[in-house]
Amino acid sequence: QQQVKQSPQSLIVQKGGISIINCAYENTAFDYFPWYQQFPGKGPALLIAIRPDVSEKKEGRFTISFNKSAKQFSLHIMDSQPGDSATYFCAPSEAAGNKLTFGGGTRVLVKP
Amino acid sequence: DAMVIQNPRYQVTQFGKPVTLSCSQTLNHNVMYWYQQKSSQAPKLLFHYYDKDFNNEADTPDNFQSRRPNTSFCFLDIRSPGLGDAAMYLCATSGWDRGEQPQHFGDGTRLSIL
Repeated sequence: QQQVKQSPQSLIVQKGGISIINCAYENTAFDYFPWYQQFPGKGPALLIAIRPDVSEKKEGRFTISFNKSAKQFSLHIMDSQPGDSATYFCAPSEAAGNKLTFGGGTRVLVKP
Repeated sequence: DAMVIQNPRYQVTQFGKPVTLSCSQTLNHNVMYWYQQKSSQAPKLLFHYYDKDFNNEADTPDNFQSRRPNTSFCFLDIRSPGLGDAAMYLCATSGWDRGEQPQHFGDGTRLSIL
C-alpha cells in the first residue's frame, strides 16, 4: 500500500523559474508534513515543514501549501537557482512514533 | 556543531562477510533510526531505537541487526551481506522526548558488496 504519492518524479526548470512538487497522502493520522532536500552523496536535510493547523508556510524562497481536505501538500521553490538542483522528498509522519513515510522523491534540475 | 556522524563513508565487503556500520550523535537525541537507500529510491526504514527500546520494521530481513550501547552510538550489523544489500545506509536521530519531530540525518555509509 503506497501511502504517500509524490509527483512529478523529475523536473527541469530554468534559473529564476518556479518549481512545484506535489505530495498526496492517505493516512489521516499524519500531523507533521516536512520536505527534505537531498544532494548526491549526502543525507536528506529538513528543508521546511508545516503542521495541519496552517494552510501555508513560507521560508525564504520555499513555500509549503497544505490542503487538509484534499490530503495534499506541495512545495514551491520560487526563483529557482542551480544550487537548488537536488532530490526532494515529502515525508509526513504521525504524532506518535515520529516515523517518516517517504514519498518516492522528485529530482529537480535547475538549468542556468 | 551538533551532528550525526556516520563511519565509514564508504565500506566494501565481500559477499557473506559480516559488516558493521556505525553512527554517533552529539545532539543527545533519544531516538535513532537506520534507513537503507538504494539508487534513485526513497530511504526505507529498517528499525529504530526509542531510548533503549528496539523497534524492528515488519519487512526488515533477519540479516540486519542493530545495537545501541548508549545514547550517542548506534550500530548496524549485516550478518551475511548479499549483493542486494549494496546501498547507502543512513542514520538519523530525533529528540522526541523534547517534543521535537524533525529527524536529523547523517551523510550515510555507501556499502558495496564484492
